[in-house]
Amino acid sequence: SAVISQKPSRDICQRGTSLTIQCQVDSQVTMMFWYRQQPGQSLTLIATANQGSEATYESGFVIDKFPISRPNLTFSTLTVSNMSPEDSSIYLCSGRTSTNSPLHFGNGTRLTVT
Amino acid sequence: TQLLEQSPQFLSIQEGENLTVYCNSSSVFSSLQWYRQEPGEGPVLLVTVVTGGEVKKLKRLTFQFGDARKDSSLHITAAQTGDTGLYLCAGVYDKIIFGKGTRLHILP
Repeated sequence: SAVISQKPSRDICQRGTSLTIQCQVDSQVTMMFWYRQQPGQSLTLIATANQGSEATYESGFVIDKFPISRPNLTFSTLTVSNMSPEDSSIYLCSGRTSTNSPLHFGNGTRLTVT
Repeated sequence: TQLLEQSPQFLSIQEGENLTVYCNSSSVFSSLQWYRQEPGEGPVLLVTVVTGGEVKKLKRLTFQFGDARKDSSLHITAAQTGDTGLYLCAGVYDKIIFGKGTRLHILP
């Protein structure tokens, strides 16, 4: 099974700044996704990270706010731009090899915006 | 937008009791997955159900996929304190959509 490393594990950032979260997978995965999770709540899909092309965003999420890169099959980044306190959340990277295969997660990045 | 309704959202029961968590949708998925999440970690897959009517058992956990592949249930027999956690159902198609989760607390 894939092991996903995510960094930073946590950060405290000032309003108006940007943070880039990195996600590294130890093996090639076909699909990578970025989720957001409020503490104690469920996961909301932000976007599907597509290798070599623009990410596919879910309703309510836009590229200008959450630019995503995926230069190869094992690495992706999510940037939270022009942060506000409402962006405080846990951001999770995930990947899978096929439609019905398990979705493997990193341990998340806990972001606090002051 | 495909939505998954999960119930109950919170459940606190005594050790040794049985419980069932439900996951319902108006949409058909190619499969449905159940995950468990511990604090500070990402969710971990428990099971994938693919075929309508399928039943899978994982020790004291029994998972069932509805005949129409729109709903699922998780039944835990003789709950233990180690079962405490956040349980998430997830509908699978080209992406994975999660239900709101059930926070389960087993009292000793």
